[in-house]
Amino acid sequence: QSMLTQPPSASGTPGQRVTISCSGSGSSIGSNTVSWYQHLPGTAPKLLIYANNRRPSGVPDRFSGSKSGTSASLAVSGLQSEDEADYYCASRDDSLNGLVLFGGGTRLTVL
Amino acid sequence: QVQLQESGPGLVRPSQTLSLSCTVSGASVSSGGSYWSWIRQHPGKGLELIGYIYYDGSAYYTPSLKSRLNLSIHMSQNQFSLRLTSVTAADSAIYYCATHTVTPEPHALDIWGRGTMVTVSS
Repeated sequence: QSMLTQPPSASGTPGQRVTISCSGSGSSIGSNTVSWYQHLPGTAPKLLIYANNRRPSGVPDRFSGSKSGTSASLAVSGLQSEDEADYYCASRDDSLNGLVLFGGGTRLTVL
Repeated sequence: QVQLQESGPGLVRPSQTLSLSCTVSGASVSSGGSYWSWIRQHPGKGLELIGYIYYDGSAYYTPSLKSRLNLSIHMSQNQFSLRLTSVTAADSAIYYCATHTVTPEPHALDIWGRGTMVTVSS
């Protein structure tokens, strides 16, 4: 059972802006940074966001992250068909000896 | 650039030990500050980080697997490895090795292997 809660699904049409939420607790997101991953079937997960809002080199600026209190969000603007994938948030939980947690994942569908 | 490649058996018998290796190229497993991680994904489920080992050999294990899991670093081969004992069908999953280059946080993994499917079955 994941202790980072994400909606199971999200959708949007091409060009739209979509946000995916990730809810944690004071000892997880409230005390640690958040990362976001994109996972396409049959491939390795790809880091999109780290340290709440930083993008690794090569990640389009259409992807952005934010954090407030015990929640975080990933925004995808200018939605494209190739953005259809599973998205996961990740953080650590200080009450669980620094356990690394992944959210349950959100399947993003481009309509 | 840093690349990772998992290797190991695709089929393991129940109650046996699963051993996987991850070969590192483009970096040294003994690099100061580096975490070397294992993540698995059960069929149709989400990602689970099962453990990571620090460059000095100290390791973190997810509590649910702590009694069965052992991670180690092999400097001469520039590899790190996983041993999971007493496996059951519940251990059937895709296993990924991963690491970080952008920031020294174990949940910010920007380098991943391609993953290897492990099935536990008699």
